[in-house]
Amino acid sequence: EVQLVESGGGLVQPGRSLRLSCAASGFTFDDYAMHWVRQTPGKGLEWVSGLSWNSVSLGYAESVKGRFTISRDNAKNSLYLHMNSLRPEDTALYYCAKESSRRAARTIDYWGQGTLVTVSS
Amino acid sequence: DIQMTQSPSSVSASVGDRVTITCRASQGITNWLAWYQQKPGKAPKFLIYAASSLQAGVPSRFSGSGSGTDFTLTISSLQPEDFATYYCQQANSFPLTFGGGTKVELK
Repeated sequence: EVQLVESGGGLVQPGRSLRLSCAASGFTFDDYAMHWVRQTPGKGLEWVSGLSWNSVSLGYAESVKGRFTISRDNAKNSLYLHMNSLRPEDTALYYCAKESSRRAARTIDYWGQGTLVTVSS
Repeated sequence: DIQMTQSPSSVSASVGDRVTITCRASQGITNWLAWYQQKPGKAPKFLIYAASSLQAGVPSRFSGSGSGTDFTLTISSLQPEDFATYYCQQANSFPLTFGGGTKVELK
């Protein structure tokens, strides 16, 4: 069974940093691209960033470019999101998500339950 | 970036109704389109890929169609467990973008 478990969220002041982690299990982690997608309370979904199986960047949303960095450790079956210079508008539930195919499908078949990031003074 | 526009933003329907949701892309994406279902407090669930292919385990009352810029998700006979919010997502290019969602509510 595929499991994605996010951690690292919490309350943080504007301008500070936070690192999210995602522990993956139930599939061959280093076969798949992985993504972070966020959802603001009561609102829609926004893709944040993605990373190929071999750590080639798939890009970032314009809203986080230059502030967030995605990374992975295939030996630990883990995905990370390093978030710097956090802003109130980064407040959201952050999902770790698995790409649906070994080939570049750019769709997501499994999502974690999310970790909530709140940026406020 | 490719903008995805869904309509309507909400629809009221009864069990057994046929429901159709529309998604429009700001530029052609051939059939690079996915649909997701999300229930309150839960992560999205993958329903359809390549515009019309059902993900394993998804009931056949769900279907997708379209190509280019215009796409539809149809639920042929709405069931109680189908009341949820539905999102389209273009898979043509990065950054991946989602529609604003369509909430299917009980009439």
